[in-house]
Amino acid sequence: KNEVEQSPQNLTAQEGEFITINCSYSVGISALHWLQQHPGGGIVSLFMLSSGKKKHGRLIATINIQEKHSSLHITASHPRDSAVYICAVVLNGGSQGNLIFGKGTKLSVKP
Amino acid sequence: NAGVMQNPRHLVRRRGQEARLRCSPMKGHSHVYWYRQLPEEGLKFMVYLQKENIIDESGMPKERFSAEFPKEGPSILRIQQVVRGDSAAYFCASSYSRQIWQSGNEQFFGPGTRLTVL
Repeated sequence: KNEVEQSPQNLTAQEGEFITINCSYSVGISALHWLQQHPGGGIVSLFMLSSGKKKHGRLIATINIQEKHSSLHITASHPRDSAVYICAVVLNGGSQGNLIFGKGTKLSVKP
Repeated sequence: NAGVMQNPRHLVRRRGQEARLRCSPMKGHSHVYWYRQLPEEGLKFMVYLQKENIIDESGMPKERFSAEFPKEGPSILRIQQVVRGDSAAYFCASSYSRQIWQSGNEQFFGPGTRLTVL
């Protein structure tokens, strides 16, 4: 079983829909990243959070440390939001500095 | 302030050749991380370096792969005698410090180098 699980793997939505992507993890963490990767493109960090909720524009990320679960929400989705969204965690202590990644959720927003 | 730079963006090698991937961290960052993304798979950690030191190479294949981050110049990921299975996207990230869970110290990613082995 992977230490970081994302769901769904693939998601198709109509423009304007509210979207939720979930991330569950089985290890103790210090922080969690949500990353965005466009096809053939680089990786952009959307959020890093260790508690509560963060909002940036139409994007909202929440984390529940006790339940070991995080969600990424996109309000009023747009075709330009089409990308792969990746959850990554920093292990507790983070002594080695590396991230552990989920496999990603491929989002396609249709006009 | 330029972000993390990687070059080349695309690299084609024949089996048995050497591949050299370069990563210039963000200005002021002295910690560099290399990750590999195989086709249809998630990103996997390879190696973590600080200037002139390898901190953690637990994700590096034991043979043919090496990494360095010299005092001057970019970090280099070197793959000797490449095989088809090395075809992947290689991403570099950098951070200001190793406390990457702290806001302001998080990792920033480069655009990646896409290696194709013929």
